[in-house]
Amino acid sequence: DQQVKQNSPSLSVQEGRISILNCDYTNSMFDYFLWYKKYPAEGPTFLISISSIKDKNEDGRFTVFLNKSAKHLSLHIVPSQPGDSAVYFCAPRAQGGSEKLVFGKGMKLTVNP
Amino acid sequence: GAGVSQSPSNKVTEKGKDVELRCDPISGHTALYWYRQSLGQGLEFLIYFQGNSAPDKSGLPSDRFSAERTGGSVSTLTIQRTQQEDSAVYLCASRRGTAETQYFGPGTRLLVL
Repeated sequence: DQQVKQNSPSLSVQEGRISILNCDYTNSMFDYFLWYKKYPAEGPTFLISISSIKDKNEDGRFTVFLNKSAKHLSLHIVPSQPGDSAVYFCAPRAQGGSEKLVFGKGMKLTVNP
Repeated sequence: GAGVSQSPSNKVTEKGKDVELRCDPISGHTALYWYRQSLGQGLEFLIYFQGNSAPDKSGLPSDRFSAERTGGSVSTLTIQRTQQEDSAVYLCASRRGTAETQYFGPGTRLLVL
């Protein structure tokens, strides 16, 4: 039973435009939501996070929005750059205990020059 | 080093053999995680170490899998009598204290023939 869903496996956008990556979850006990970027043959790299008590967090070109009532979050990248081309994972943190991350299957973003 | 390191980067083994995968976390990080990523899937939690506490082994898929963390630093993941379904990328992550961000190593790509 998937707790975290990234329903679109891929997204292609033009350089300079906005990229919107979506993530839905089922577990209301998640307390932090992290986004990771992964290039081929490398480990995931932390990108941005948001606490469950906030609805928006911005860091440069990256903004994450959280809608707790809908159990939905999205990552906005604007303007998109070719170097942003990677697989993006939504990874909420399970509160308490090991505080493990629960990963979605990822979305492959391609930014075309 | 500055980041999480893992060795070997690639491992090819025959079905039935044992393998050991090593992780060196970021210095000073008390929490250490092992995850694995099978083809086309998200990362799957395996095991968690935090200081001297008993590890959370709830993600280990079978008793062929075990892990140790010696001296609160280096960790070894051992897979006994490997099976073809064990083929995956095994990723190690570490976290500082109570911080929410986990930092990942580059992974070990295991192929069981």
